[in-house]
Amino acid sequence: QVQLVQSGAEVKKPGASVKVSCKASGYTFSRYGVSWVRQAPGQGLEWMGWISAYNGNTNYAQKVQGRVTMTTDTSTNTAFLELRSLRSDDAAMYYCARDFFDGGGGFDYWGQGTLVTVSS
Amino acid sequence: DIQMTQSPSSLSASVGDRVTITCRASQGISNYLAWFQQKPGKAPKSLIYATSSLQSGVPSKFSGSGSGTDFTLTISSLQPEDFATYYCQQYNSYPPTFGPGTKVDIK
Repeated sequence: QVQLVQSGAEVKKPGASVKVSCKASGYTFSRYGVSWVRQAPGQGLEWMGWISAYNGNTNYAQKVQGRVTMTTDTSTNTAFLELRSLRSDDAAMYYCARDFFDGGGGFDYWGQGTLVTVSS
Repeated sequence: DIQMTQSPSSLSASVGDRVTITCRASQGISNYLAWFQQKPGKAPKSLIYATSSLQSGVPSKFSGSGSGTDFTLTISSLQPEDFATYYCQQYNSYPPTFGPGTKVDIK
């Protein structure tokens, strides 16, 4: 069965960086992309960007462009999200999702989420 | 960006009720509309894609319809496990955008 397992919660200071991982299993990793979606406490869902696990192509949301890097490691079937220069409004639950629509934002399976706290 | 709106923002319903949630896009999105269910403290769960296609394992009490700018999610007979927040999302054009959610709770 398809599973996406994310790394554990992180606590970071403003200005620091965070790197979250998402390990995929149960399918051929390179055949699908991975999108990252975040949810601030009590708020809705916000798409952050997408990476192709086939060729590493990326597409980032304008709001985080310049501070975000998404990568994959096909040897371990893992996707990574790195967010730099953290601000208080980056505090959120971060989810990875398998993207079946070739980067178009069609999600079928989701990770369990990684809570990122930003606090001085 | 395409703006997604949902109505109502919340509703109270009883077990066995038929529930309908509406989603509207600020411009036409063909049939590239998905629905997700989220329970407190849990990740979203994918229910429907391409307006009306059920994701694997999703029960047939969930159904979706619509096209262009107006879409609906219907739960035919609400069960205790269906009390949750429901989000619509368009993937017709970048960036993918979500509706603000509809919270379904127990009357």
